[in-house]
Amino acid sequence: GEDVEQSLFLSVREGDSSVINCTYTDSSSTYLYWYKQEPGAGLQLLTYIFSNMDMKQDQRLTVLLNKKDKHLSLRIADTQTGDSAIYFCAESIFGGGDKLIFGTGTRLQVFP
Amino acid sequence: DTGVSQNPRHKITKRGQNVTFRCDPISEHNRLYWYRQTLGQGPEFLTYFQNEAQLEKSRLLSDRFSAERPKGSFSTLEIQRTEQGDSAMYLCASSFSESGYQETQYFGPGTRLLVL
Repeated sequence: GEDVEQSLFLSVREGDSSVINCTYTDSSSTYLYWYKQEPGAGLQLLTYIFSNMDMKQDQRLTVLLNKKDKHLSLRIADTQTGDSAIYFCAESIFGGGDKLIFGTGTRLQVFP
Repeated sequence: DTGVSQNPRHKITKRGQNVTFRCDPISEHNRLYWYRQTLGQGPEFLTYFQNEAQLEKSRLLSDRFSAERPKGSFSTLEIQRTEQGDSAMYLCASSFSESGYQETQYFGPGTRLLVL
């Protein structure tokens, strides 16, 4: 079945690293994504990783994928107040029209 | 191209009325998706088009919902006889897909629907 789970909240101090975790169940996932959503806005694509990769780094963002455990994480280095938002992980199902299955989102709160 | 656009951004309607939303995808994208997001939840897939063909519909898409993409460019999503449970953010996304190659989906700002 298709199910994506995330913890609901994360609070970090400005300048620290944030790690947002996600677990998924469908082993036929092709790509895994991280999207950011600010209040009242649509989804902004942050980064993605192909399912045969272990890690991807993009400036302050590092994505780690453990395919055996079906665990995905997003690390944000030097977290800033502008990073406060809801972060969604999503999996894309092979042969499913590439539709995205989203988690419930993790609300990241950055305090000074 | 400025990205995916959606109109209107907000819609308030009374229960039982019909509403229609429009999505304009990124111009070279051949796939267009509709998702629904209720408060505190992640987006849920509703339907998608490849060019003008509607290839999949979720079980979430009841008979009161209909989507079209007549010329393979913009799409409309109509909800007939709205119910309070239809209140949500309706998100559109587009991507380019060729056989065996998949590009990421880019989302519009959404249309927030409130049914009174």
